[in-house]
Amino acid sequence: GAVVSQHPSWVICKSGTSVKIECRSLDFQATTMFWYRQFPKQSLMLMATSNEGSKATYEQGVEKDKFLINHASLTLSTLTVTSAHPEDSSFYICSARFDRVQPQHFGDGTRLSIL
Amino acid sequence: QQQVKQSPQSLIVQKGGISIINCAYENTAFDYFPWYQQFPGKGPALLIAIRPDVSEKKEGRFTISFNKSAKQFSLHIMDSQPGDSATYFCAVSSGSRLTFGEGTQLTVNP
Repeated sequence: GAVVSQHPSWVICKSGTSVKIECRSLDFQATTMFWYRQFPKQSLMLMATSNEGSKATYEQGVEKDKFLINHASLTLSTLTVTSAHPEDSSFYICSARFDRVQPQHFGDGTRLSIL
Repeated sequence: QQQVKQSPQSLIVQKGGISIINCAYENTAFDYFPWYQQFPGKGPALLIAIRPDVSEKKEGRFTISFNKSAKQFSLHIMDSQPGDSATYFCAVSSGSRLTFGEGTQLTVNP
């Protein structure tokens, strides 16, 4: 089946630092990748959609200057949380799909803790 | 505006029983209705999905029932097992994006 790998799985860092999370599609080319955020015992909230080689489309209320998304290749997208603060602590999950009619396949998430 | 409402929020079932989770949506433009299973600390995994041209889809112990006129769909887990204990999310989609329900925490007691 389609495999999406996310790295790191857990990161703890100090307030004010920037953190980069990688999302890779291992056995298929992902024309579109998605980034979600999930708080404890809550649902997944879409943050942004990125198509390879294009600028990401951010959901309303998501600061694009804070959450930088790069989708430079068909197998890799990165999310950089810039100048992270404790309120940015959350579970970040990426997903990828081959094309519009294929389902999204999710990574195992990155737990981000900002001290 | 909440586009998909999921119930119940939590569900406890005995081993061997049937687990039923329901979702209702508002926008008739949705054309893809998946269910995802999520274990703690993991990303969601696609369980089963249906498109609006069929009323039911079965895969093993998992069945989706879809009622287009009522704008509702449900997940039935037959012969529920302790290993099914997880959080289940319904979702709706038209084109690019998925919108998730609030989730149902299922506990299957041995």
